[in-house]
Amino acid sequence: QVQLQESGPGLVKPSETLSLICAVSGYSISSGYYWGWIRQPPGKGLEWIASIFHSGITYYNPSLKSRVTISVDTSMNQLSLKLSSVTAADTAVYHCARQQITLVRGDSPKNPFDYWGQGARVTVSS
Amino acid sequence: QSVLTQPPSVSTAPGQKVTISCSGSSSNIGNNYVSWYQQLPGTAPKLLIYDNDRRPSGIPDRFSGSKSGTSATLGITGLQTGDEADYHCGTWDSSLSTVVFGGGTKLTVL
Repeated sequence: QVQLQESGPGLVKPSETLSLICAVSGYSISSGYYWGWIRQPPGKGLEWIASIFHSGITYYNPSLKSRVTISVDTSMNQLSLKLSSVTAADTAVYHCARQQITLVRGDSPKNPFDYWGQGARVTVSS
Repeated sequence: QSVLTQPPSVSTAPGQKVTISCSGSSSNIGNNYVSWYQQLPGTAPKLLIYDNDRRPSGIPDRFSGSKSGTSATLGITGLQTGDEADYHCGTWDSSLSTVVFGGGTKLTVL
């Protein structure tokens, strides 16, 4: 059973860097799949942030790319997210998720997310 | 403002059928596969439909998906109060090179 668990500070000050960790259990990240971060501002829809393959190949949402870094630590079996220069608009629940392998596309950042973490609620406020 | 357009809310009675629409463009829905997610209150999204009309293992056949042109539809039959949730559509946008989602639709089963 694949499980994902996000962790990190629940409160970040404006202009600082938000850092989150996603611990994966039940599957070795180094074995494959794309892994992503998605956020959901209060009362709003989902927004994809970035995805990464175990080899380090990354894809970023262009609207956030200049402020985002996604990485994997295969030895710890976890992925991380850093978002710099945060503002109140970055207040959201941040989810990590695995991207399904499909018969049509194999491993691809275009694939749907089949396993999700419960989410980490992050508030940006002074 | 989400790239994909969904109605903010729909409601219907238990036992009935409902459809939820998701409208996009040729750069996203028109040329890519659509997925649907169910988000029960206070929980993470759950994959319901992928590749337009395929159900992951364990998803009942009360849930169905379809796509025509630049729009996709999620159908749910035999509605139960336990189906009350937010439903999100998602796909890849080839012009933006991003995963895109709709704004979500809140389903109420009265």
